[in-house]
Amino acid sequence: QVTLKESGPVLVKPTETLTLTCTVSGFSLSDARMGVSWIRQPPGKALEWLAHILSNDEKSYTTSLKTRLTISKDTSKSQVVLTMTNMDPVDTATYYCARIDYGDFGPELFDFWGQGTLVTVSS
Amino acid sequence: SYVLTQPPSVSVAPGKTARITCGGNNIGSISVHWYQQKPGQAPLLVIYYDDDRPSGIPERFSGSNSGNTATLTISGVEAGDEADYYCQVWDSSSDPPVFGGGTKLTVL
Repeated sequence: QVTLKESGPVLVKPTETLTLTCTVSGFSLSDARMGVSWIRQPPGKALEWLAHILSNDEKSYTTSLKTRLTISKDTSKSQVVLTMTNMDPVDTATYYCARIDYGDFGPELFDFWGQGTLVTVSS
Repeated sequence: SYVLTQPPSVSVAPGKTARITCGGNNIGSISVHWYQQKPGQAPLLVIYYDDDRPSGIPERFSGSNSGNTATLTISGVEAGDEADYYCQVWDSSSDPPVFGGGTKLTVL
């Protein structure tokens, strides 16, 4: 079955760099028409898409955070890594990775999600 | 970028029908997907491509999409349906994926 699991620090200090890893199983990161996104959710707030990486290695980032985000993948390890630089308390959130499912015209929806990992930014 | 508007909250008595709307400019021309999120849990896809249900999702959940409004309908609401619901679209030819602001469904 398809699973995704996030891992990383639970606490980071302001200005530090956050590195999160999403380990997937039940599918390959090289499968055609497949991808993985990172999505975050501040406490009590809505979901916010951050970035994705597709099977052809195409990457995309949310405009507001583009300068701070880097997404990459290691297909042999079935891992997708997200780094976010210069962390701030407003970045405190639960960070999810989710599998992208394609429609006829391209990436379309998120069919499987990890459990999420809460990252707190505080000194 | 594209904006999706949801009511912050919807309340319904058990057994009744809940309707959660998702507004967007000409949203009827693109596919809408709905996620259910219970407290402390990850989102769960409940409706995709406007009105399809993933396996395991009860028939009580249905969707529609026309004009400027998409609607998630939950018939015969149960206490276990109490959750936040998010709509999502992805016009991947031009825009990144977008989520609505979420609607908290309260079962009275």
